[in-house]
Amino acid sequence: DIQMTQSPSTLSASVGDRVTITCRASQSISSWLAWYQQKPGKAPNLLIYKASSLESGVPSRFSGSGSGTEFTLTISSLQPDDFATYYCQQYRSYWTFGQGTKVEIK
Amino acid sequence: EVQLVESGGGLIQPGGSLRLSCAASGFIVSSNFMTWVRQAPGQGLEWVSVIYSGGSTSYADSVKGRFTISRDNSKNTLYLQMNSLRVEDTAVYYCARESPGTGTADRWGQGTLVTVSS
Repeated sequence: DIQMTQSPSTLSASVGDRVTITCRASQSISSWLAWYQQKPGKAPNLLIYKASSLESGVPSRFSGSGSGTEFTLTISSLQPDDFATYYCQQYRSYWTFGQGTKVEIK
Repeated sequence: EVQLVESGGGLIQPGGSLRLSCAASGFIVSSNFMTWVRQAPGQGLEWVSVIYSGGSTSYADSVKGRFTISRDNSKNTLYLQMNSLRVEDTAVYYCARESPGTGTADRWGQGTLVTVSS
């Protein structure tokens, strides 16, 4: 099974900050990596797929990079609506999610 | 508009059975890969099962032999039959559509809560 490890688990930041979340796969997943945003009581919302492709309708302040085993999600300028939990997901072999990164208000 | 609406969750005793439904609109369930994902209270996301457009299925080890994914093409609805339920199956269950364009879930239902407790 492919394991996904995200860091940090919690991140405190202010509006306007540049934020980076890291995700590591236990084996190479090429670019089969997605990022989701989830708010309390809601379903996950797709932000990035194939490691760096922006889903339609997602603000351009979100970007993804990486391939193989190391990936990052970057929010270039944090907005009030961005305080949420973010999950990476591999879909090379079934689906595995990272444990999540909660972005909190500093 | 693409929409997924889950139903069937509730409180059930350990060892009991429950069937979840996911009614789809705006697309054809049988033409897509459809997945169930669950989230235990305060925890992360866990893949549960997938049914492919051809009808083959796969399951997480944690539910294999107890859960069955299926679909009714005439009702455009996805199901998850859950038997021999355990306390650790307590979670919000989401159905999701895998988009051919993205290769992963681009549409999710709102989720239905399953609580396994005596």
